Amino acid sequence: SYELSQPLSVSVALGQTARITCGGNNIGSKNVHWYQQKPGQAPVLVIYRNRNRPSGIPERFSGSNSGNTATLTISRAQAGDEADYYCQVWDSSTVVFGGGTKLTVL
Amino acid sequence: QLQLQVSGPGLVKPSETLSLTCIVSGGSISSSSYYWGWIRQPPGKGLEWIGSIYYSGSSYYNPSLKSRVTISVDTSKNQFSLKLSSVTAADTALYSCARHSLGGNPFDSWGQGSLVTVSS
Repeated sequence: SYELSQPLSVSVALGQTARITCGGNNIGSKNVHWYQQKPGQAPVLVIYRNRNRPSGIPERFSGSNSGNTATLTISRAQAGDEADYYCQVWDSSTVVFGGGTKLTVL
Repeated sequence: QLQLQVSGPGLVKPSETLSLTCIVSGGSISSSSYYWGWIRQPPGKGLEWIGSIYYSGSSYYNPSLKSRVTISVDTSKNQFSLKLSSVTAADTALYSCARHSLGGNPFDSWGQGSLVTVSS
């Protein structure tokens, strides 16, 4: 079965750029989606199909995907960006989530 | 505005069957554009997809849970349901329902979820 790997945690200084990676075998050939989940809340889609932002998601959120790594980039990080982030792909008609990354804004 | 609400018991005994329903409001479950899915999250852990269903009844499941899972849809009530059999403590989780469109698209609308504890 297909697996996605994410770092358990990423820290970023307030106002700096955070990068959260999602690794998978030839993930560049798949469409990657990213979700933000704050404590006690349902996940929110922040990037879909590698690099597209849903309505209402700030331009500070961007995504890329190539080779074996997809990346969620959060520019000018704010305290409100502190959350868990999950990547997700489809593989053979099944949904696969990464293990999640906790983003801490210092 | 689409809303999804999970209903069902919060406590299930080991070896029994967990049964939950997701009630959809603000949109039709019979839309030809969408699938409806179940996702769970054990306390303090990550997301795990359980399975998804189309309004026609066509469904597909996480291979690791497939032998124990049944997802069904009731278009007359605008809801879909989850049954997970032979539960153990490892099935204790927040169970959520969500919508995704066809073609490998993401879950674009989520319900808040319901905590189900497996304990005697």
